[in-house]
Order: sequence, then C-alpha cells, then structure tokens
Amino acid sequence: DSGVTQTPKHLITATGQRVTLRCSPRSGDLSVYWYQQSLDQGLQFLIQYYNGEERAKGNILERFSAQQFPDLHSELNLSSLELGDSALYFCASSPRRAGGYDEQYFGPGTRLTVT
Amino acid sequence: DQQVKQNSPSLSVQEGRISILNCDYTNSMFDYFLWYKKYPAEGPTFLISISSIKDKNEDGRFTVFLNKSAKHLSLHIVPSQPGDSAVYFCAASASGTGKLIFGQGTTLQVKP
Repeated sequence: DSGVTQTPKHLITATGQRVTLRCSPRSGDLSVYWYQQSLDQGLQFLIQYYNGEERAKGNILERFSAQQFPDLHSELNLSSLELGDSALYFCASSPRRAGGYDEQYFGPGTRLTVT
Repeated sequence: DQQVKQNSPSLSVQEGRISILNCDYTNSMFDYFLWYKKYPAEGPTFLISISSIKDKNEDGRFTVFLNKSAKHLSLHIVPSQPGDSAVYFCAASASGTGKLIFGQGTTLQVKP
C-alpha cells in the first residue's frame, strides 16, 4: 500500500459525458501527479500540482482539467468523453516540488471505460 | 518520439538466477532514473532509483547500473524469485521538472 488513494476504482460512462476522478496523496506529500495508461501509449504524464498550484503540464487534452485543493487532495476532470479516453488513470504523489530527486508513489488507479 | 525505450517486451528467467532488464534513453537532460514494478490491477510500485552522479545503486536484491555515455541503464535482480514476476517500467526525469517519462515496460516471468 503506497498510501495514495484513488476513487472510484472503476468508472463506466457514455461518450459525451463528464467524470471526476479523485486522488488523496500520501500524508505530508505536497506534489500530486496524474498519469494516463492506455494500451497503445503506455504511461503518459498529464499534469502536476504542487501545494495547490499547477507546476508542470504534459500531453493533457483541453477537455481535461485538474485542480489541487487546500487539503492537498486532487481531482481530474474529464469532459466530452470519447471512446479513446478509455484508460487507466493513475495519481502519484511525492514530498517536494521535484527540484530534487523525488520518487513518486502511485495510487491503485481508476479504470475508465467509455462506451 | 519515445525518449525512454525498453526494447524487450518480455523476459523469462529461472528461479535463483539473475534477471537483467534493460532501458535506453535519448534525452541527455535526464538526470534521475527510476524503476517501478507493476502487478495487474495495481499501480506501479517504486523499486529503486539512481541519479546521474552515480553509476550504481544497490538495494537488497536489486541493483541499478547507469551508463551515461551509452544512455543506458539496467536493473539486476539477484536471485530472482517467482514473486518478482511482474511488469517492470523504467522512468526518467530531468531535474526541475516533475514529470516522469516511462518506457513501455518489460514483462518478467520467473519460473520455479
């Protein structure tokens, strides 16, 4: 158990819908990262938040957005869902801002299926 | 453009022998490298890391070697155990950036 929690574990929804994935980082970790794992793309970095502020952005679609709240939990919002958005979505956390060498600890993931 | 590559999709090893997993990278800005293990239906689990100022890091049965000139790293598992059977991902980052760039993974099977 990494100490990172994600809800829900599974999500099935229809095209065009909007969903919210939730992540609680390990106690004391200030950075939260979101990754997408699809069959053909592997693990892809989406976005990082540090202490409530957006810190780094990867190949995140404009239909996707995220935020980190004062209690440090984070939400990833996916809208206008398409079949290709079906994937595993992982959240990870680390203690610092990633200026140093921080390993990231991953949650169990949310499996999103868009039908 | 895949900046981190694991060219072997799978590896099969006998219990008690050494497992060697390989990883190549192209971006010379990468200075921190990590290995993760992943079981089905679980998130990646951190195994071991190495910074670019070192060429070797050990933690129990796991050793990571870094060859900066060849832009190559490897993970050695000695001795291999059936419980090590999983998908292994190498990842890299450049200092000052938060994101990890992952390879495609190598599935390791350790046979009893």
